[in-house]
Amino acid sequence: DTEVTQTPKHLVMGMTNKKSLKCEQHMGHRAMYWYKQKAKKPPELMFVYSYEKLSINESVPSRFSPECPNSSLLNLHLHALQPEDSALYLCASSQVGDGGGEQYFGPGTRLTVT
Amino acid sequence: GQSLEQPSEVTAVEGAIVQINCTYQTSGFYGLSWYQQHDGGAPTFLSYNALDGLEETGRFSSFLSRSDSYGYLLLQELQMKDSASYFCAVRDQDIGGFKTIFGAGTRLFVKA
Repeated sequence: DTEVTQTPKHLVMGMTNKKSLKCEQHMGHRAMYWYKQKAKKPPELMFVYSYEKLSINESVPSRFSPECPNSSLLNLHLHALQPEDSALYLCASSQVGDGGGEQYFGPGTRLTVT
Repeated sequence: GQSLEQPSEVTAVEGAIVQINCTYQTSGFYGLSWYQQHDGGAPTFLSYNALDGLEETGRFSSFLSRSDSYGYLLLQELQMKDSASYFCAVRDQDIGGFKTIFGAGTRLFVKA
């Protein structure tokens, strides 16, 4: 099973709302990632979790709060977002370390902030 | 800092061979990956080169030269379904750990 699942597929939220994005994988991968992708742009790394610990935060604003409850799950909590945060949010997983050269992506959550 | 360069667009005919080049600059280079992304879809892993040389997987091959900071993706026997964006991505190690940095992507158009 090489599937990464993400929910919801689409999300529309106002600037004062709080919502969460969810990601799950059952490949035994111990590295999980959040990426943000704008239209016609490459995925942009936001956070890396390695063995359920946050290892990299690419200077992401605090209105994005990641959480890794266990080795299979990754959440991204959203609060007080701005319209420019509207994008496709992708979750990925891989082996840790150099093995992360092979990442499996979920289908993404298309987020619109109104 | 890190930077990757790849052509923005390539057009080729069905059945032809196309090569997408990628040059990179990074301080903690570990390897080079390639991903395919169709419009509206998620990136799909194609290949990863950590060592110099050519890796072949079906119609797709990937090459890496660490001394030249250069790699390429070779697509043979092009099919219409290969029309997509192709991203090279560097696997890089810094103080926090390993991370992946994507190039801007090459949009491949396959014509009949």
